[in-house]
Amino acid sequence: DGGITQSPKYLFRKEGQNVTLSCEQNLNHDAMYWYRQDPGQGLRLIYYSQIVNDFQKGDIAEGYSVSREKKESFPLTVTSAQKNPTAFYLCASRDRGLAKNIQYFGAGTRLSVL
Amino acid sequence: QKEVEQNSGPLSVPEGAIASLNCTYSDRGSQSFFWYRQYSGKSPELIMFIYSNGDKEDGRFTAQLNKASQYVSLLIRDSQPSDSATYLCAAGAEGGATNKLIFGTGTLLAVQP
Repeated sequence: DGGITQSPKYLFRKEGQNVTLSCEQNLNHDAMYWYRQDPGQGLRLIYYSQIVNDFQKGDIAEGYSVSREKKESFPLTVTSAQKNPTAFYLCASRDRGLAKNIQYFGAGTRLSVL
Repeated sequence: QKEVEQNSGPLSVPEGAIASLNCTYSDRGSQSFFWYRQYSGKSPELIMFIYSNGDKEDGRFTAQLNKASQYVSLLIRDSQPSDSATYLCAAGAEGGATNKLIFGTGTLLAVQP
């Protein structure tokens, strides 16, 4: 069953702690993206990766880090430098084939601060 | 700053009516446009995409694109209470090898039984 799997569904961060959100896809997509969504807001791009071992900052990268060691995986770390991390985090992947620029989303991770 | 603008709503329509959702975009270079539906607490789900000027129909949904006016719309015919959700409009920010989407803040649609 193909798709994008995000885990955990809910995550709680303590003050000064780094936490890592997982995103795995088995769609054989080259590009992957991380977005943040705050209540009543649209999606803001944190980081994206077009290919393995390469990634670029999005609009709100400060306080976040990523890696892309495998095509299937694009984990996001929310560092202690991110002072307002409470949000809904969405991972997406894109097919570079005929379906131009279409992004598909995982179910999301809801992060809260304890 | 490339932007996509939507009226936040709520847009309230009676069951069976046509819901009309609108979106404008600032980047004249955008070539691809998308409508995603997002139920409360869930992730966005793609419902329509359009690349060319004119109309594109899929079941009860019609996407309309006017590149000269930088305007995209989504029509939902025979609206159902299950259509009640936030609808996100997105425009492609294509440039070289980079392909990103710029999202609007969404329009909340409420279909009244």
